[in-house]
Amino acid sequence: NAGVTQTPKFQVLKTGQSMTLQCAQDMNHNSMYWYRQDPGMGLRLIYYSASEGTTDKGEVPNGYNVSRLNKREFSLRLESAAPSQTSVYFCASSEAGTGNEQFFGPGTRLTVL
Amino acid sequence: QKEVEQNSGPLSVPEGAIASLNCTYSDRVSQSFFWYRQYSGKSPELIMSIYSNGDKEDGRFTAQLNKASQYVSLLIRDSQPSDSATYLCAVEEGTYKYIFGTGTRLKVLA
Repeated sequence: NAGVTQTPKFQVLKTGQSMTLQCAQDMNHNSMYWYRQDPGMGLRLIYYSASEGTTDKGEVPNGYNVSRLNKREFSLRLESAAPSQTSVYFCASSEAGTGNEQFFGPGTRLTVL
Repeated sequence: QKEVEQNSGPLSVPEGAIASLNCTYSDRVSQSFFWYRQYSGKSPELIMSIYSNGDKEDGRFTAQLNKASQYVSLLIRDSQPSDSATYLCAVEEGTYKYIFGTGTRLKVLA
């Protein structure tokens, strides 16, 4: 099992460009998440999908959109990248409900110039 | 916004010693608590989860929870240089909403 996979691993964008970060999991989890991690800020939730067909905003959703394509895949889109979106992005998945461990992907390191 | 506080460190301990990592949280109704380890440049991986007051042991790791005082701690016995990493405390604020601390950097000195 690959667990949670993310593509790309690294990306450099210019201000105003768009891109989509891809995430897939093979653990048959219902719930998936997108976080960003910045120095001194910890992990912050951008969006989550409790189950296939649903998505909800997290703590820092502005400037992002998501799509839960199917049970396995959850993508994050930056429509018009800004330098403030320079960060490391992690996708995670878990069983549905409360109290469940999250499994993280390897991350995407994004730089916006 | 509920908060999870951790001392950023670095916490330096000699090899073989006990490392004690602490975390406080603000949301009294939180029920689920997690410790993740994150090596530099890598993703977080779960070490322990704890849901009830008291201690929970797993190998060299012990998680301690005190809901009345709103703190959770992680003890690492017989610390090894391979334990050098950043340790993230996470609290489940509500269903599907996890609040992470900024992490404590642990350095185990050989």
